[in-house]
Amino acid sequence: RKEVEQDPGPFNVPEGATVAFNCTYSNSASQSFFWYRQDCRKEPKLLMSVYSSGNEDGRFTAQLNRASQYISLLIRDSKLSDSATYLCVVNSGAGSYQLTFGKGTKLSVIP
Amino acid sequence: ETGVTQSPTHLIKTRGQQVTLRCSSQSGHNTVSWYQQALGQGPQFIFQYYREEENGRGNFPPRFSGLQFPNYSSELNVNALELDDSALYLCASSDSSSTDTQYFGPGTRLTVL
Repeated sequence: RKEVEQDPGPFNVPEGATVAFNCTYSNSASQSFFWYRQDCRKEPKLLMSVYSSGNEDGRFTAQLNRASQYISLLIRDSKLSDSATYLCVVNSGAGSYQLTFGKGTKLSVIP
Repeated sequence: ETGVTQSPTHLIKTRGQQVTLRCSSQSGHNTVSWYQQALGQGPQFIFQYYREEENGRGNFPPRFSGLQFPNYSSELNVNALELDDSALYLCASSDSSSTDTQYFGPGTRLTVL
């Protein structure tokens, strides 16, 4: 089983749609969780950290379920500028500095 | 505040050659991590440097080595290049108080022929 698995995608959605990305991780000792966004041929950029209580940043909502080792990202009212690859990221355990990335899910928002 | 910078942006090498990639960390950050991203894959952790010492390593062979300098900039060296080393090499910097919140540079795209 891969350490971090994401929906394979790609997701093609119309502007204004709501889209959800799912991710599972295998290391139960992981303590920190993130979503990064990566535009084509660019570096990954931190989108948001994910907390057990869930967190929201504008149109973006992230959820963490430690019992199921599951992370989600919800994007509401999709914009053309949301088109990118979304990477699910976890650290490798307590006190670990090593980030493990999923393969990413590509999102295309269509006019 | 200056972000993470990397050089060169692109590089073409042949099998068996050696390469050095460079990274300057974000102002105020003392920890540098290196990642390899093959086409269509997520980044894979190579190693991390803190205070000029290697502070953890991923599943990469010894021909991948690195350095960190007193100003926290870093180098990644790869010896005996193989075709599969072709990838985007990303450097990420962080503050030691929060090493898993990492900020990435633009990367160096290495092609091995």
